[in-house]
Amino acid sequence: EPEVTQTPSHQVTQMGQEVILRCVPISNHLYFYWYRQILGQKVEFLVSFYNNEISEKSEIFDDQFSVERPDGSNFTLKIRSTKLEDSAMYFCASSEWAGESQPQHFGDGTRLSIL
Amino acid sequence: QKEVEQNSGPLSVPEGAIASLNCTYSDRGSQSFFWYRQYSGKSPELIMFIYSNGDKEDGRFTAQLNKASQYVSLLIRDSQPSDSATYLCAVIPFSGGYNKLIFGAGTRLAVHP
Repeated sequence: EPEVTQTPSHQVTQMGQEVILRCVPISNHLYFYWYRQILGQKVEFLVSFYNNEISEKSEIFDDQFSVERPDGSNFTLKIRSTKLEDSAMYFCASSEWAGESQPQHFGDGTRLSIL
Repeated sequence: QKEVEQNSGPLSVPEGAIASLNCTYSDRGSQSFFWYRQYSGKSPELIMFIYSNGDKEDGRFTAQLNKASQYVSLLIRDSQPSDSATYLCAVIPFSGGYNKLIFGAGTRLAVHP
């Protein structure tokens, strides 16, 4: 079964550094998403992306964050000038299209640890 | 503020019993409702979704939706120890699109032999 793949599985970074989290969505999917989950808390929506532009973003997704589809398969989340509170699991998800009957499929996540 | 509420649990059921997981949501215009299972340290795994009032069955799982009461539930029949996990209710809110999921905090289910 096709799946969303994320790399790396664990990223350790010094505070203030930039990180790029990578995702390869399911190949025929057109909508891509990033979520995060701080340890012990809810899964939170960050951003959705379609047709090479952001469809929707949350209040969390401020100027520190950016997303990009650099080629036909990858989807990246960049976090500039990381802070301690950015430590979380970051999940990429994709869906074939956006609609009431379209589930989002999640990757295994990247655990980001900011020191 | 669009909220999705779940009882945190743990909900403890014996093996073979029916587990009933509940979720309420505040946005009356919410479009679709999803149940994900999350094992500790793992990613959400889709179980099923529902967007019309009533029941929807898939194997041992039944989702129930009551939009008038803003309530969605998941029944797990013949519960197995491998079903022990946190169950996340997620909702697509009415925002003019279908671009995000709003998650509840999850209910931890423990199935004991």
